[in-house]
Amino acid sequence: LAKTTQPISMDSYEGQEVNITCSHNNIATNDYITWYQQFPSQGPRFIIQGYKTKVTNEVASLFIPADRKSSTLSLPRVSLSDTAVYYCLVGGGTNAGKSTFGDGTTLTVKP
Amino acid sequence: DSGVTQTPKHLITATGQRVTLRCSPRSGDLSVYWYQQSLDQGLQFLIQYYNGEERAKGNILERFSAQQFPDLHSELNLSSLELGDSALYFCASSVETGNSGANVLTFGAGSRLTVL
Repeated sequence: LAKTTQPISMDSYEGQEVNITCSHNNIATNDYITWYQQFPSQGPRFIIQGYKTKVTNEVASLFIPADRKSSTLSLPRVSLSDTAVYYCLVGGGTNAGKSTFGDGTTLTVKP
Repeated sequence: DSGVTQTPKHLITATGQRVTLRCSPRSGDLSVYWYQQSLDQGLQFLIQYYNGEERAKGNILERFSAQQFPDLHSELNLSSLELGDSALYFCASSVETGNSGANVLTFGAGSRLTVL
């Protein structure tokens, strides 16, 4: 299972773009990269998933370089309600749930 | 509402006791996962079931056990409870297990267990 490394915390201000990078040097060929968001005392919620290059949905973008050893979650124009913990998970299929979510990145958005 | 239902939402019990947490997966999902999240810590994977069979085991204590029933709901049994077992227990479900790669987990709201 690929080990992931993320910054422990990040601060931002409302309206700014936030980029959170995750390192996963030993990603396997069939692994996908999935990001989850968790608010206090709630279950994590799926944000976005990708395999390579760039993926965009209505809430975020995910940038994955060609070597796939890292990925960057981009949140455009954050608001106070985006204050949460963000987890990067690498795996898929039978490994999807086995990965430990780790500490994640605590994003604090300030007014 | 994620579609994954966990009961009870809150549970307070004493050391040495046994409790059962229940999870109903999202309609159509065959895989169920259990996680433990202690205060200010990340989610620790406990165990996974797929269509009634155990598929993967994580850091699950011998005092803990789980099963998935024919209707696909799952129960996590915690026995001989200790103070350190106080945590949020999350259940998640997904459509399938296998090497398809793109497997997304849908989490329930969690069961908060307090052991006094």
